[in-house]
Amino acid sequence: GAGVSQTPSNKVTEKGKYVELRCDPISGHTALYWYRQSLGQGPEFLIYFQGTGAADDSGLPNDRFFAVRPEGSVSTLKIQRTERGDSAVYLCASSLGGQKTTTDTQYFGPGTRLTVL
Amino acid sequence: KQEVTQIPAALSVPEGENLVLNCSFTDSAIYNLQWFRQDPGKGLTSLLLIQSSQREQTSGRLNASLDKSSGRSTLYIAASQPGDSATYLCAEVGDSWGKLQFGAGTQVVVTP
Repeated sequence: GAGVSQTPSNKVTEKGKYVELRCDPISGHTALYWYRQSLGQGPEFLIYFQGTGAADDSGLPNDRFFAVRPEGSVSTLKIQRTERGDSAVYLCASSLGGQKTTTDTQYFGPGTRLTVL
Repeated sequence: KQEVTQIPAALSVPEGENLVLNCSFTDSAIYNLQWFRQDPGKGLTSLLLIQSSQREQTSGRLNASLDKSSGRSTLYIAASQPGDSATYLCAEVGDSWGKLQFGAGTQVVVTP
């Protein structure tokens, strides 16, 4: 079946602009996650959705970052007034979710490479 | 803040040698630990998931062990091949459910 997809694959924007990054999770997965990966580093957690609600948004760096998942499927990560430091690869993952289970594997999309000039 | 550390940061071996990748974590209350592979410019592929109640998991040439008491996991790749060249990351899920805490990864090069 189809995996996690992310669009666009690359996004170049200018400092101060607004951007939206989209994630389509695996069908039937109730949990969705956003991570950010800088060069040479492991992914850093941003936010986790269970269904339509944000279960944990403790990783969002500041109020310029916002994410939604209005129908419990597709999610959009929104970044206002972009800064050069926001340049990174933004990864989305999904999992079956539901009850806490020790076998809940997260499946990752290919990522969106954001470059802020 | 929980930390995950991977040593070495980079590793180069000739084809056929066994690979040993190390991961250490400070979270004593982990739910599970996952090993991922990342190819340049690509997303992450899950290789193995070890539940907190398990000591190891195996898949083909891959074997991962987990020692919660010492806060360590090791990924073994037997008889390495050039196609194994990639960055390998470990990540743990602890009390903050859903949040994978990643190490920085080990970049592996297998030379023919």
